Amino acid sequence: QSVLTQPPSVSGAPGQRVTISCTGSSSNIGAGYDVHWYQHLPGTAPKLLIYGNSNRPSGVPDRFSGSKSGTSASLAISGLQAEDEADYYCQSYGSSLSGLYVFGTGTKVTVL
Amino acid sequence: QVQLQESGPGLAKPSETLSLTCTVSGGSINRFYWSWIRQPPGVGLEWIGYIYYSGSTNYNPSLKSRVTISIDTSKNQFSLKLSSVTAADTAVYYCARGPVAGRGMDVWGQGTTVTVSS
Repeated sequence: QSVLTQPPSVSGAPGQRVTISCTGSSSNIGAGYDVHWYQHLPGTAPKLLIYGNSNRPSGVPDRFSGSKSGTSASLAISGLQAEDEADYYCQSYGSSLSGLYVFGTGTKVTVL
Repeated sequence: QVQLQESGPGLAKPSETLSLTCTVSGGSINRFYWSWIRQPPGVGLEWIGYIYYSGSTNYNPSLKSRVTISIDTSKNQFSLKLSSVTAADTAVYYCARGPVAGRGMDVWGQGTTVTVSS
């Protein structure tokens, strides 16, 4: 149902770098709309992690970085830590047909 | 620091109307958009719709015929009604501030689980 595709899972050892892709189309990411990223630990409120493709809200460690190119976006986590184990979702603008705001399929990050 | 808290029944019967309220504390509900988002079990996030403090709304086309979002600025609250619910509407329902220009949904509630069952 989601128009933004993410890998179901990624994993890495503590200290490693992992990246999560978010693939859209010319109707959303490729049309120039911003991509935002959220971190979600089950049972808690999702947290805005990256906004406007590559900006970090106050308090988010600089280990988290975002980028966008063409019809895709990426979230990178460097220096992976145990507390980074969570679900991550991208979000962008959709359309009047799909719903104005669309989320990615979600990626589970596992710290080995 | 703005905080959001969802409230409402955790159980709804098939064909009935699900009703939830989000209370905004630590800040004003004015001059922002406010959204409802849900997550069915084992599935990702789905945007349900938003309301502007002035009362204008926009809904996900997949739910539009069954959704009503309203706002009470005097109480700093906004609400969700979803009619004719089925088991497919079982989900964790989140309220959030946003969309905020260039920032997405920047503050979220903890979420409330609603189960549709007879």
